[in-house]
Amino acid sequence: QKEVEQDPGPLSVPEGAIVSLNCTYSNSAFQYFMWYRQYSRKGPELLMYTYSSGNKEDGRFTAQVDKSSKYISLFIRDSQPSDSATYLCAMSLYSSASKIIFGSGTRLSIRP
Amino acid sequence: GAVVSQHPSWVICKSGTSVKIECRSLDFQATTMFWYRQFPKQSLMLMATSNEGSKATYEQGVEKDKFLINHASLTLSTLTVTSAHPEDSSFYICRARDRGSTEAFFGQGTRLTVV
Repeated sequence: QKEVEQDPGPLSVPEGAIVSLNCTYSNSAFQYFMWYRQYSRKGPELLMYTYSSGNKEDGRFTAQVDKSSKYISLFIRDSQPSDSATYLCAMSLYSSASKIIFGSGTRLSIRP
Repeated sequence: GAVVSQHPSWVICKSGTSVKIECRSLDFQATTMFWYRQFPKQSLMLMATSNEGSKATYEQGVEKDKFLINHASLTLSTLTVTSAHPEDSSFYICRARDRGSTEAFFGQGTRLTVV
């Protein structure tokens, strides 16, 4: 069993839709949860970072962490074609700057 | 924001040759450098972690004699793929941890193709 599971997609939605991306994990010791966006042939960029359980909102993006279920989500509201990318969840035991384990990534396409 | 410059962005080499990839932190000191490999449509897999001035710690299954990592200064780390073979073709990305903060930043990645 992988430490972090993520549906690879691809996921295609119309512009303006709400997108829900999810990951599950097996190690209950993970404390830091991150979402990265990666465009083709580029390095990942950090979108959201959450410590422990709860919600965090930043503009059109909302990250949710449910440690009891070992489940994290990223919601994108009012999706735009420019949001088309691969989204990777990532987790760490100690901090967002230490060793992190990535999910396999979900390829998202927003149709104009 | 902090910048990690990774070079080259892409390289094609012949089988059996060695390739060096550089990562430089341009405006901060990188105490720790993480090196990842990403195969097409797959996630980033951590290869090794290096601290400035120390030997790198390799993840299970990664050959330390094949993937040589040097982190001799706080602003430069290199990954050398020795005796490259077609199966080493991949996207290699570095991630540098800022000494002065709790953040880490990715380089732009290097696409290696071995023919």
